[in-house]
Amino acid sequence: AQTVTQSQPEMSVQEAETVTLSCTYDTSESDYYLFWYKQPPSRQMILVIRQEAYKQQNATENRFSVNFQKAAKSFSLKISDSQLGDAAMYFCAFYQNAGGTSYGKLTFGQGTILTVHP
Amino acid sequence: GAVVSQHPSRVICKSGTSVKIECRSLDFQATTMFWYRQFPKQSLMLMATSNEGSKATYEQGVEKDKFLINHASLTLSTLTVTSAHPEDSSFYICSAPRTRSGDTQYFGPGTRLTVL
Repeated sequence: AQTVTQSQPEMSVQEAETVTLSCTYDTSESDYYLFWYKQPPSRQMILVIRQEAYKQQNATENRFSVNFQKAAKSFSLKISDSQLGDAAMYFCAFYQNAGGTSYGKLTFGQGTILTVHP
Repeated sequence: GAVVSQHPSRVICKSGTSVKIECRSLDFQATTMFWYRQFPKQSLMLMATSNEGSKATYEQGVEKDKFLINHASLTLSTLTVTSAHPEDSSFYICSAPRTRSGDTQYFGPGTRLTVL
């Protein structure tokens, strides 16, 4: 079974600074997807960024970018110019197709609580 | 964009009673939906996969007789917590695939269940 590990239970950053959240995963497959989700205090899950494993180029979404190291099975999230609204719990997640007509399952890491200081 | 709704958003019930949580896909059809459980400051744990027209698939360790799932239509899945106990108090989240590959999910806003 796939596992996703986030080794930083909590992180903090000053407003306007940059922070990097770490994620490693374990799989024997070569075709999969990786995600970062944000869960603010409202607890609504929000997709931050999506990476397809077969794409070597790192995904970016405005101030959010990833460092995808497939061989090392590492998928870190960099948040630039941090804003107060970035404060949330961040989850790294792994998805692999089940094949056929069935859907696969999302496997989440333990989460990292990000605090942004003004 | 497509949205997934959940009802109720919060529910408080007495121990021993049953509680039904609805998950609806608005403006799209979802033959599959997923149910997660989340304790405070912890990760989402997949409980079961809900399939329209067939039985749900439960994850290991999840009691299927306690957490009844019914996928009544292409837009509605329900989770019923039967004979609820205080340890069932948690945050329950549903999701539905938003891409044909299923990799990206639309998440509902969640339901906070408190069992007294």
